[in-house]
Amino acid sequence: SAVISQKPSRDICQRGTSLTIQCQVDSQVTMMFWYRQQPGQSLTLIATANQGSEATYESGFVIDKFPISRPNLTFSTLTVSNMSPEDSSIYLCSVDPSTDTQYFGPGTRLTVL
Amino acid sequence: GESVGLHLPTLSVQEGDNSIINCAYSNSASDYFIWYKQESGKGPQFIIDIRSNMDKRQGQRVTVLLNKTVKHLSLQIAATQPGDSAVYFCAETGGATNKLIFGTGTLLAVQP
Repeated sequence: SAVISQKPSRDICQRGTSLTIQCQVDSQVTMMFWYRQQPGQSLTLIATANQGSEATYESGFVIDKFPISRPNLTFSTLTVSNMSPEDSSIYLCSVDPSTDTQYFGPGTRLTVL
Repeated sequence: GESVGLHLPTLSVQEGDNSIINCAYSNSASDYFIWYKQESGKGPQFIIDIRSNMDKRQGQRVTVLLNKTVKHLSLQIAATQPGDSAVYFCAETGGATNKLIFGTGTLLAVQP
């Protein structure tokens, strides 16, 4: 498994602003992912964060709204841009250390007012 | 912490009883399945996995059963404890990518 940390753990933001969430892993991993979990819902994949190239986004998610960086094999950021109350969710990063199993960070709880 | 089970189906069991959580998966090509436990205010935690070449796998107090014929997965928890109270998600993956598709989740409430 891998030890994954996220910053911030929670935040309350005003609409129209942006928030960048950081994900740090304690070992180098090839695959990193970002998920959204809306209140009372399951997890939805936002994108796969690719090291050295642009992220791969799932249907319904676009780079302008959720820009992602992956500068190396242990770190990634997700930005939630021009936020609205509908963006209030838990944002989770996960990693797959080449075992097919994904391990998740603790999540970032975002509330947009 | 906040609850992630507000809109989820709930299974209520007495402490010490066995729990069975069910999941219907969607893709007949899926060949790897995982059960996660998510406690309030935390990220999903890996519990147990199973590949499609097996129909049963046991861990510590947990057993996963896979029925590929009807695309059904179940998680059995023996001697359920209050610490088992959480939302449980099944997830499937397979094919050319390792994208995980999550089920809707079940809230397990253990009554003392």
